[in-house]
Amino acid sequence: AQSVTQLGSHVSVSEGALVLLRCNYSSSVPPYLFWYVQYPNQGLQLLLKYTSAATLVKGINGFEAEFKKSETSFHLTKPSAHMSDAAEYFCAVSQAGFKTIFGAGTRLFVKA
Amino acid sequence: EAQVTQNPRYLITVTGKKLTVTCSQNMNHEYMSWYRQDPGLGLRQIYYSMNVEVTDKGDVPEGYKVSRKEKRNFPLILESPSPNQTSLYFCASSPELSYEQYFGPGTRLTVT
Repeated sequence: AQSVTQLGSHVSVSEGALVLLRCNYSSSVPPYLFWYVQYPNQGLQLLLKYTSAATLVKGINGFEAEFKKSETSFHLTKPSAHMSDAAEYFCAVSQAGFKTIFGAGTRLFVKA
Repeated sequence: EAQVTQNPRYLITVTGKKLTVTCSQNMNHEYMSWYRQDPGLGLRQIYYSMNVEVTDKGDVPEGYKVSRKEKRNFPLILESPSPNQTSLYFCASSPELSYEQYFGPGTRLTVT
């Protein structure tokens, strides 16, 4: 059975600091991996996705994620946080047939 | 504008009164899905559909029904709502084999 674990329900960084949001998954077959972002009172929007073409995936707003099969991880990073990055971030796993599991989410706070 | 729409956006109802939340997408996507979002639990998939007349259960289908009679529409039906179905509901659609999801704005449901 699939599962997704996001370490840390809340992460706080200073503006300009590195952002690292952790995601580990379990899957019996190669998965489709995603990061979504949710701004307050809005729906979710896609940040980036991994679909086996490359292990380092670049997304919107300067975010990127690295797929590490040996660690079953798909951590999200951004070199320099901006105040506008404050939001909740969700890691998700989909498999053939569209069954999808989301992590519990990590809320990112950015301090001035 | 390419989008997923949901109606209503807000709904307060009483236990046992049947209700339907509509979802429509104008992107000709094959896949559609319903999720509920609860604090600390992330998004949990209720039902999903891979095409017209093809639906399957997600992780939390109890108390919900869906139908997919047209490609663009995927309504969520609560035959006899209960207070534990108070939640924020999202509809999403996805192109076939992509699995990247486009989300609607959400429907906040309160059952008293």
